[in-house]
Amino acid sequence: AQSVTQLDSHVSVSEGTPVLLRCNYSSSYSPSLFWYVQHPNKGLQLLLKYTSAATLVKGINGFEAEFKKSETSFHLTKPSAHMSDAAEYFCVVSENDYKLSFGAGTTVTVRA
Amino acid sequence: DGGITQSPKYLFRKEGQNVTLSCEQNLNHDAMYWYRQDPGQGLRLIYYSQIVNDFQKGDIAEGYSVSREKKESFPLTVTSAQKNPTAFYLCASSKQGASNQPQHFGDGTRLSIL
Repeated sequence: AQSVTQLDSHVSVSEGTPVLLRCNYSSSYSPSLFWYVQHPNKGLQLLLKYTSAATLVKGINGFEAEFKKSETSFHLTKPSAHMSDAAEYFCVVSENDYKLSFGAGTTVTVRA
Repeated sequence: DGGITQSPKYLFRKEGQNVTLSCEQNLNHDAMYWYRQDPGQGLRLIYYSQIVNDFQKGDIAEGYSVSREKKESFPLTVTSAQKNPTAFYLCASSKQGASNQPQHFGDGTRLSIL
């Protein structure tokens, strides 16, 4: 069975400082992993995905994530936060074609 | 532009009433999904459909029903059997299976009890 744990329910950063969102997963197989972002009252938008190619994955809006199999982690980072990055972020794992497991989400606030 | 349209944006349900949430996509995707989102929780899968005229229960299908008569449309009915329907409902679609294809999401319908 697959599951996802987002280690922080809330992260607060100052504009221009780095952002780190932590995600650990459990999976019986080689999973596909995703990060999605959700702005208030909106649907989810894909930031990036890992599908067993390069372990460092670059996404949209300057985000990237590193897959570490030994640590079963898939942490999301951005070197410099922008006010528009304030949103909720979801780490997602998939083992089979149709079922995704979503983490509980991390809310990011950005201070001016 | 291609995308997923959910309507209405806000919906209110009376006791004992069934309500239907609309989801339409023009992305030519085969697979469609319905999720429920509650505060502090991730998304939970209600139903999914891999192809027209076929659908499967997700993790929390009780009190919900769906149909998939057209490729573009996947409406969700919240029946009176669903005792706690207040939530944000998201529809999604993908080209094939979700494991290596990203899902595209609509902007959601927020359902509340009157």
